[in-house]
Amino acid sequence: QVQLVESGGGVVQPGRSLRLSCAASGFTFSDYAMHWVRQAPGKGLEWVAVIWFDGSKRYYEDSVKGRFTISRDNSKDTLYLHMNSLRAEDTAVYYCAGDPGGYHLDSWGQGTLVTVSS
Amino acid sequence: QSVLTQPPSASGTPGQRVTISCSGSNSNIGSNYVYWYQQLPGTAPKLLIYRNNQRPSGVPDRFSGSKSGTSASLAISGLRSEDEAEYYCAAWDDSLSGGVFGGGTKLTVL
Repeated sequence: QVQLVESGGGVVQPGRSLRLSCAASGFTFSDYAMHWVRQAPGKGLEWVAVIWFDGSKRYYEDSVKGRFTISRDNSKDTLYLHMNSLRAEDTAVYYCAGDPGGYHLDSWGQGTLVTVSS
Repeated sequence: QSVLTQPPSASGTPGQRVTISCSGSNSNIGSNYVYWYQQLPGTAPKLLIYRNNQRPSGVPDRFSGSKSGTSASLAISGLRSEDEAEYYCAAWDDSLSGGVFGGGTKLTVL
């Protein structure tokens, strides 16, 4: 069955960096675009970034442009989110989600919590 | 403030029909598919409706979606207690070159 497992979350000080990973199984990872979506405590869903199935295109939400980098390793069926210059407002549960095409997020991980605090 | 606008709350009694609206613009709903997600408390979101009105396998036909112009709606008929959840609409936005979500609607089954 389709499974997405995020890891790498934790508590980090403002201005520091963190890398999230998302291990995929149960489907052909290289056929899917992959997204990161976050949810601040008690708030709604916020789209963060997407990477095309072959890594050829990447798009970001405005507040993370220049600070976050989405990448993937299709040989390892793994998605990444490199987060630099973290701010308190980046505190959220970060979900990875698989997309067979058209912003169609048909599979989601369980999420990993990132807390930015001094 | 979310790019897509949803009512913050909705409610109904068991067996009733409830609709949740989602309003956007030409750059998102007006030119792209709409998706709906259900998020039960403490869990990850789940795809409920894709491409405006299609149901993934396993989603009951009590759930239906529609789209007209720059607005969309989710209808839930035969309301059940297990439908109590947060519901989000979503679409790609061509102007932003990014995904957008509605602010979410908390559905309460009275």
